[in-house]
Amino acid sequence: DIQMTQSPSTLSASVGDRVTITCRASQSISSWLAWYQQKPGKAPKLLIYKASSLESGVPSRFSGSGSGTEFTLTISSLQPDDFATYYCQQYNSYSGAFGQGTKVEIK
Amino acid sequence: EVQLLESGGGLVQPGGSLRLSCAASGFTFSSYAMSWVRQAPGKGLEWVSGLSGGGGSTYYADSVKGRFTISRDNSKNTLYLQMNSLRAEDTAVYYCAKASTVTTDAYFDYWGQGTLVTVSS
Repeated sequence: DIQMTQSPSTLSASVGDRVTITCRASQSISSWLAWYQQKPGKAPKLLIYKASSLESGVPSRFSGSGSGTEFTLTISSLQPDDFATYYCQQYNSYSGAFGQGTKVEIK
Repeated sequence: EVQLLESGGGLVQPGGSLRLSCAASGFTFSSYAMSWVRQAPGKGLEWVSGLSGGGGSTYYADSVKGRFTISRDNSKNTLYLQMNSLRAEDTAVYYCAKASTVTTDAYFDYWGQGTLVTVSS
């Protein structure tokens, strides 16, 4: 099975900072990667699909890049609403494995 | 507007059974794969099971294989998860999620609000 590893697990940042989260796959998944944002007590929300495609309605400060086994999610200028936990998910195979999550905290 | 509404969660003893349902609306249900994803308290997301739009292909995480059964009734626009031989480690919020395509190798573009399953004596 494909394993997904995110780093860091926790990230402390300030409003206005540029933030980057990394996700690595245990084998190549081409560009079949999605990113989700989850706030406490809420369901995850799709941000990015196919590694770099922005879901409709998602602010343009969110961007994704990468292919193969290494991917990044970047928030160009962190806003108060962006403090949350972020997950990557591979969908190259049926299992849809998630990374362990990255919590973005207020510095 | 796409809506997914889970139900059926609750408190169950170890070894017991529970059936979750997810009522879908706002899209052509049979045209999309569906999955169950769970989240244990304070933990990350774990994909549990998925099935194709027509229901002919089903997949399970190793942690639930042989104990859980996913199914769907396309005439009722409803997804199910039959959970047997429940263990304490199955305690989690269970989300149903709509896939972006008819096959299960897809991202999830819509999620339900989740239903809590607690396995405890």
